[in-house]
Parts: sequence; structure tokens; C-alpha cells
Amino acid sequence: DTAVSQTPKYLVTQMGNDKSIKCEQNLGHDTMYWYKQDSKKFLKIMFSYNNKELIINETVPNRFSPKSPDKAHLNLHINSLELGDSAVYFCASSPPGLYGYTFGSGTRLTVV
Amino acid sequence: AQSVTQLDSQVPVFEEAPVELRCNYSSSVSVYLFWYVQYPNQGLQLLLKYLSGSTLVKGINGFEAEFNKSQTSFHLRKPSVHISDTAEYFCAVSDGGTGNQFYFGTGTSLTVIP
Repeated sequence: DTAVSQTPKYLVTQMGNDKSIKCEQNLGHDTMYWYKQDSKKFLKIMFSYNNKELIINETVPNRFSPKSPDKAHLNLHINSLELGDSAVYFCASSPPGLYGYTFGSGTRLTVV
Repeated sequence: AQSVTQLDSQVPVFEEAPVELRCNYSSSVSVYLFWYVQYPNQGLQLLLKYLSGSTLVKGINGFEAEFNKSQTSFHLRKPSVHISDTAEYFCAVSDGGTGNQFYFGTGTSLTVIP
């Protein structure tokens, strides 16, 4: 029954590898997001999709590529991982209007 | 552009004491304000929001916040905290624009001391 689910919950990988994080929401929301939370807990938006279309694309390295196969899924692929990519990545979704986001429980990525 | 400032990075408070977590925002347009809570190793949950109308907003778990336009503030309060309130609290602002993007503050870590 989880509203916004992310997999995996933890990801430890070596520098230079390519990895993906998956996100699915069963709320019927039109908009999905990826946020990065750094070690100081600062949350910064990376991408936003509305009905499979990219609508927010903040300044992130092009090693990060989001993919939305349908409006219930938004995956994040990261190429050539670097130490600085270590963070917690949150997926979120929202309906139209100002109802706030529903967040997933996060994926803690550690690059070694 | 919108931004949010949370002045206190850490707030320790004794159990059953009142608490106020401060949030100030800056925006050139109408704003919509939110407070989220993040318990350890979990995602963020919506506590409360201000969209319009009454400036005193009540949320879950006994929290409330007051929107003050003249002081550009949206402080979060609880009259009596419990151990279970120990968490990270984030203030956020949205202008309701394209993508309904939220801008988050840097968070306030509330620690309730028994």
C-alpha cells in the first residue's frame, strides 16, 4: 500500500559505476520529482515530470538522467558515479494544486 | 525568486515544554507555505500548510503555525512536546508556478529531552 515507493533503500557502489534508482507512486498524481538531500540535510530539487513530460530540470550534471515511462514511475539513472554524488535521493509526487508533496522514504547512495 | 530561512539549526527542549521553530521567507509574489517533518531514516511528511484565509493554521500531532505577512514569517509552534516529536523540521515555500516547485529551508533539528 505504500504511496510513493523507492528502490533500493540503500545503495553502495564504487566510483565510476552506473546505477539506477526507481520510484513508483500509486496515488494517481500527475507530477513527480527527484530531490537530493546532502549531508547537511539541505534539500534541492533536481527534476520534475508532469504526465511523463520534463518540466523542471535544475542545474545538475548531465550524468544524471531521469526517465518517466508512465506517469506513475520516475526513475533516476546516474552515470560515472562520483564521491560527491553520495546523498539521500528522495522521490515525491503531487496532484494538481497546492496539496503538498508525498515523499518516498529515500535512497541513501554511498559512493566509495 | 523564493527562499526560506530557518534561523535555528538545532533546538533542544525538555519534554512537555513549549517549542517554536522559526521560519522566514522571501518572495516577490504570493506564497504558499508548508512545514514538513522528517523522522530518522524516513521521508518527509506534511505537517501543515498555509494557502490563504486564516493566518493560524493547525496541523497534525498538535502543531500549529502562524502566517505573518508583515514579518514574512511562518513559525511553527507546539504547546507541549513529546519525545516522539524529535525529528528534523523543514519549512518550504511554493509560488504555485510551473511544476509546483517547492523551496526548502535548511531544516531545524528538534531534540526533545526527557
